Amino acid sequence: NAGVTQTPKFQVLKTGQSMTLQCAQDMNHEYMSWYRQDPGMGLRLIHYSVGAGITDQGEVPNGYNVSRSTTEDFPLRLLSAAPSQTSVYFCASRVSAGDTQYFGPGTRLTVL
Amino acid sequence: AQSVAQPEDQVNVAEGNPLTVKCTYSVSGNPYLFWYVQYPNRGLQFLLKYITGDNLVKGSYGFEAEFNKSQTSFHLKKPSALVSDSALYFCAVRDTRNTPLVFGKGTRLSVIA
Repeated sequence: NAGVTQTPKFQVLKTGQSMTLQCAQDMNHEYMSWYRQDPGMGLRLIHYSVGAGITDQGEVPNGYNVSRSTTEDFPLRLLSAAPSQTSVYFCASRVSAGDTQYFGPGTRLTVL
Repeated sequence: AQSVAQPEDQVNVAEGNPLTVKCTYSVSGNPYLFWYVQYPNRGLQFLLKYITGDNLVKGSYGFEAEFNKSQTSFHLKKPSALVSDSALYFCAVRDTRNTPLVFGKGTRLSVIA
């Protein structure tokens, strides 16, 4: 199994540009989530999904959209990038009724 | 709402000495508790978890954690620290429903040779 994969690893955007961060898992996990990591702030939840077709907002959802059309994929869309969205983004997944959450390697995003 | 507090931003310990990284939590009902480690420029790696059963949980790389319900704590411990243990450690909690995992702000552990 490849586990949780994220692309790209690094990205630089200009203010106002849009882009999609990709996340995929091959473990047939129902539950997927997106976090952002900022220095001194820990990991903050952006959006999560408990299964295909079902998504919900986390702690910091503004400026981000998600969709879950398949069990495997959970893309995160930045609608109009802002410097405040400069961060490291992590995707994670777990079995819905299980417990351990597995993380992808992260995407480091810089917005100029 | 669920929350986690890691009261120390930084913990310094000499190699060979025991280490403790503190975590307290707040959750309605019974908690699921986790520790993750992050090495520089890497993702988060799972270390150990408490779901139910024995209050002392053993995990990867010689780490263990003790669940204390009365003090709502889940401190991470290791009897003898290694330089290679230097990393950022995160405590996380969720309740027993299928809710999101909530993280603390992290504690940076520095083991000095």
